[in-house]
Amino acid sequence: DAKTTQPTSMDCAEGRAANLPCNHSTISGNEYVYWYRQIHSQGPQYIIHGLKNNETNEMASLIITEDRKSSTLILPHATLRDTAVYYCIVRVAPFGNEKLTFGTGTRLTIIP
Amino acid sequence: DSGVTQTPKHLITATGQRVTLRCSPRSGDLSVYWYQQSLDQGLQFLIQYYNGEERAKGNILERFSAQQFPDLHSELNLSSLELGDSALYFCASKDGNTDTQYFGPGTRLTVL
Repeated sequence: DAKTTQPTSMDCAEGRAANLPCNHSTISGNEYVYWYRQIHSQGPQYIIHGLKNNETNEMASLIITEDRKSSTLILPHATLRDTAVYYCIVRVAPFGNEKLTFGTGTRLTIIP
Repeated sequence: DSGVTQTPKHLITATGQRVTLRCSPRSGDLSVYWYQQSLDQGLQFLIQYYNGEERAKGNILERFSAQQFPDLHSELNLSSLELGDSALYFCASKDGNTDTQYFGPGTRLTVL
């Protein structure tokens, strides 16, 4: 699986959009970008994933650059409950190497 | 709530002892994954089962073993416990249609 690089920490004001970047310059054509978050010591929570098109669901939007070497997770209206560690993971799916390889992630703090 | 359940929530035991952690996957999911999260190692994949059979192994110690039963619940057995085994242990099950892993709330193991 390709390696990802994320900022160690970020702050965002409550109510603003939180934009979390991820670099995955060695991504292969069949690798997807997944985002998970972990609130305190709870189990990681799936947010969104995509291959090359931008994706949106009820939680967030995922913007993947045309060359697929980087992506941005957007939380449109951040709340205090969005304070968490956010993990960007690149993996082959479906039916590829099925484990998730977590890096150190970005610690996002939402400021009131 | 991801639909994945884990018991117990907390476990405190002594070095040299043996414990069993239990995981029930989401209804319909055939794959179960075990991950360990310690302060110095982050989230690490241990082992995967699919429909009762071991599918993949990660950095799982020989003192640790797992199995998946016909009703698809899984157990992780940790023996000859050491202080360094203190960690959060997460179980995840995979949605076979979307290839997305959903995590349980975890078991916090403390070895004294």
